[in-house]
Amino acid sequence: ILNVEQSPQSLHVQEGDSTNFTCSFPSSNFYALHWYRWETAKSPEALFVMTLNGDEKKKGRISATLNTKEGYSYLYIKGSQPEDSATYLCASEGGSEKLVFGKGTKLTVNP
Amino acid sequence: GAVVSQHPSWVICKSGTSVKIECRSLDFQATTMFWYRQFPKQSLMLMATSNEGSKATYEQGVEKDKFLINHASLTLSTLTVTSAHPEDSSFYICSALTGTWGQPQHFGDGTRLSIL
Repeated sequence: ILNVEQSPQSLHVQEGDSTNFTCSFPSSNFYALHWYRWETAKSPEALFVMTLNGDEKKKGRISATLNTKEGYSYLYIKGSQPEDSATYLCASEGGSEKLVFGKGTKLTVNP
Repeated sequence: GAVVSQHPSWVICKSGTSVKIECRSLDFQATTMFWYRQFPKQSLMLMATSNEGSKATYEQGVEKDKFLINHASLTLSTLTVTSAHPEDSSFYICSALTGTWGQPQHFGDGTRLSIL
């Protein structure tokens, strides 16, 4: 059984602040690391899927890095906006396309 | 693109009732669909994986006779919670996959199930 841990559990920042969260996962039997953004009353939205050690991906003000050897990924948000408020989920894919999710980091951006 | 529709959004029913939840991929064909459950303050937990035309694969600890999954077409999977009891009250959410490993999953909006 894979254990995926996310920290912090929740985070409050001011508009304009940059922030980052951590996802740690077992490095054995690793295929891919997924990040999703989940706004209240909506469906989780895929942000990134990363597979290679050292991978860095960017989507607007959001970026993510991956270290498969030590089993962690960081998600960065530059210049947070109130619309970035959501729960950010990471999930490890260990083959067979199944995902094991962390509990998420709930981000609140105050105007 | 890649929209997944899940119905109903909310269900409140009496103990002993069976409840069916539908998950449809609206603009793509899903090779695989997944069903997850989330209890308060917990992570999304995979219940089962279903492929069109074949029996679902259930995760350890998930009763297949309790949670019936039918995947009749490449765009529709259903989860039926049979003879639901209060302990089955939870948030259920489906996702669909168009390719193989390393591809993002596309999620429905989820169903909040409350059994009285």
